[in-house]
Amino acid sequence: QKEVEQNSGPLSVPEGAIASLNCTYSDRGSQSFFWYRQYSGKSPELIMFIYSNGDKEDGRFTAQLNKASQYVSLLIRDSQPSDSATYLCAVPLYNQGGKLIFGQGTELSVKP
Amino acid sequence: EAGVAQSPRYKIIEKRQSVAFWCNPISGHATLYWYQQILGQGPKLLIQFQNNGVVDDSQLPKDRFSAERLKGVDSTLKIQPAKLEDSAVYLCASSLDVAAGSEQYFGPGTRLTVT
Repeated sequence: QKEVEQNSGPLSVPEGAIASLNCTYSDRGSQSFFWYRQYSGKSPELIMFIYSNGDKEDGRFTAQLNKASQYVSLLIRDSQPSDSATYLCAVPLYNQGGKLIFGQGTELSVKP
Repeated sequence: EAGVAQSPRYKIIEKRQSVAFWCNPISGHATLYWYQQILGQGPKLLIQFQNNGVVDDSQLPKDRFSAERLKGVDSTLKIQPAKLEDSAVYLCASSLDVAAGSEQYFGPGTRLTVT
């Protein structure tokens, strides 16, 4: 089992729709979870992080965490063509000095 | 605030040649990371420094890869000799400290093509 798994996509949604990106992780000790966005040919940039079970909202983005199910998701409301990118889920391994394990990324395409 | 700087941005070499990448982290960031990102995959950590000491190099192919951060600031990553499978983007990142929740800031990366 991979340490961090994501659906590779591509995920295609129409403009204005909700995009739902999912991530599962294997390390039960992990305490924090990150979502990075990576445009084609660019480096990853952090868009959301979450520590506690439940939802965290930031503008059009909502991160959802369920530690019991080892599942974290990212919802993008009112999707825009500019949201088209690869979204990377990253999980620091417990007690390993902040070592981030990235999923393979989900490619999102928002169609006008 | 200046971001993470990397050079060169692109490099093409033949297999068995050597190559070196340079990274300058954000000022004041104690922790520096080198990642390898193969096309279609997420970044994979190669080595992590805390100041000038190595925290984790478990996934660094030490027979051909080496890295140093001599004065706790700039870092270089070297590959010698290169193989075809080393073709990837090499990303440098830095963070204020090594805590698990510390945000990592990425540089623009160096795209390496080995022919």
